[in-house]
Amino acid sequence: AQTVTQSQPEMSVQEAETVTLSCTYDTSENNYYLFWYKQPPSRQMILVIRQEAYKQQNATENRFSVNFQKAAKSFSLKISDSQLGDTAMYFCEAAGTYKYIFGTGTRLKVLA
Amino acid sequence: DTAVSQTPKYLVTQMGNDKSIKCEQNLGHDTMYWYKQDSKKFLKIMFSYNNKELIINETVPNRFSPKSPDKAHLNLHINSLELGDSAVYFCASSARSGISNQPQHFGDGTRLSIL
Repeated sequence: AQTVTQSQPEMSVQEAETVTLSCTYDTSENNYYLFWYKQPPSRQMILVIRQEAYKQQNATENRFSVNFQKAAKSFSLKISDSQLGDTAMYFCEAAGTYKYIFGTGTRLKVLA
Repeated sequence: DTAVSQTPKYLVTQMGNDKSIKCEQNLGHDTMYWYKQDSKKFLKIMFSYNNKELIINETVPNRFSPKSPDKAHLNLHINSLELGDSAVYFCASSARSGISNQPQHFGDGTRLSIL
């Protein structure tokens, strides 16, 4: 079975600081992809970053980067220079062959 | 310009009624999905269609019936609504399924409230 675990239900960070959200997953597939989505209070689901499991290089998108540890099945999201607009729910997703599993989410609050 | 649009955004109805939520995408994607997000924000996939063909059908009561008239549309019909059906329902699409390297594009969600 494919599972995704986000062990931090809530986190907070001061504006301009760095925060890391954790995600671990379990899958028996060799070929899979990992995503982080952001859901602000407006309820929209917005793609933040994605990682192909076959790539060793960690993905980076501006202030967002991942620490992908394939052997440990870990896929954490680092947000640098946090901004008030980063306040949202963050979901980790593992996608395999016709399987799409979301974690339970981490509620991040950026403090002014 | 909306990529994935679903209507209505809010739906308030009585227990026992039948209701539909519509979803349309203008991205030219082959694959569409329905997700349910409960009050604890947990997102669970319900259905997925690829080119009008059902490819994912999770353990969902058969009161829920998806219908895909063409690959740009995936509607969700719910019969005999129950209190536990209260949730936010998200439609999404992606370029293709199978080996899922394509991110999903989500609609804004439909908040369904059962009285």
